[in-house]
Amino acid sequence: AQSVSQHNHHVILSEAASLELGCNYSYGGTVNLFWYVQYPGQHLQLLLKYFSGDPLVKGIKGFEAEFIKSKFSFNLRKPSVQWSDTAEYFCAVSSSNTGKLIFGQGTTLQVKP
Amino acid sequence: NAGVTQTPKFQVLKTGQSMTLQCAQDMNHEYMSWYRQDPGMGLRLIHYSVGAGITDQGEVPNGYNVSRSTTEDFPLRLLSAAPSQTSVYFCASSYSRWGQGLENIQYFGAGTRLSVL
Repeated sequence: AQSVSQHNHHVILSEAASLELGCNYSYGGTVNLFWYVQYPGQHLQLLLKYFSGDPLVKGIKGFEAEFIKSKFSFNLRKPSVQWSDTAEYFCAVSSSNTGKLIFGQGTTLQVKP
Repeated sequence: NAGVTQTPKFQVLKTGQSMTLQCAQDMNHEYMSWYRQDPGMGLRLIHYSVGAGITDQGEVPNGYNVSRSTTEDFPLRLLSAAPSQTSVYFCASSYSRWGQGLENIQYFGAGTRLSVL
């Protein structure tokens, strides 16, 4: 069965600290990979996506993610977090043949000023 | 384009009542999906559709029905609401295109917050 696992459920960082959120997936066939962010009281926003090509993808707000096919991983990184990055982050995998998107459980990031 | 429109934004039901959450998209997307979001569980796929007349179950389909009679609309029906269905529901539509590979682009609605008492 297809699944997505996010290793960290709750992360607390100070401003300017570096961030890495882990994501592993189990999915047969060609996949599309995504990271979404949900700020408090708001709906989902797409941070970045990977379809093919360069495994290091850059998204909005200084976020980037690296796709490592051999490890079935798609970890999210940011060199220096800000208080405004406080939000919930979701890793997701889709099959391009069905539009079916499977989400991880989410990671709550709290950044202390 | 209005994108993906969900109605209502909020709803309170009593146990056993039925209702339909509406979802419409005006982008001519072939794929549509329904998700529910619960604390600590992320978003879980309820049902999805790959085109008009075609639907399939997702991860948590029990208690929900869907149909896709047109490309634009994908309503989600709760036949007999239960407190366990208290959640935030998101509808999404998407299409696939050939870029560097086959790419699927998702668009989400703003969500419906449902409480079942």
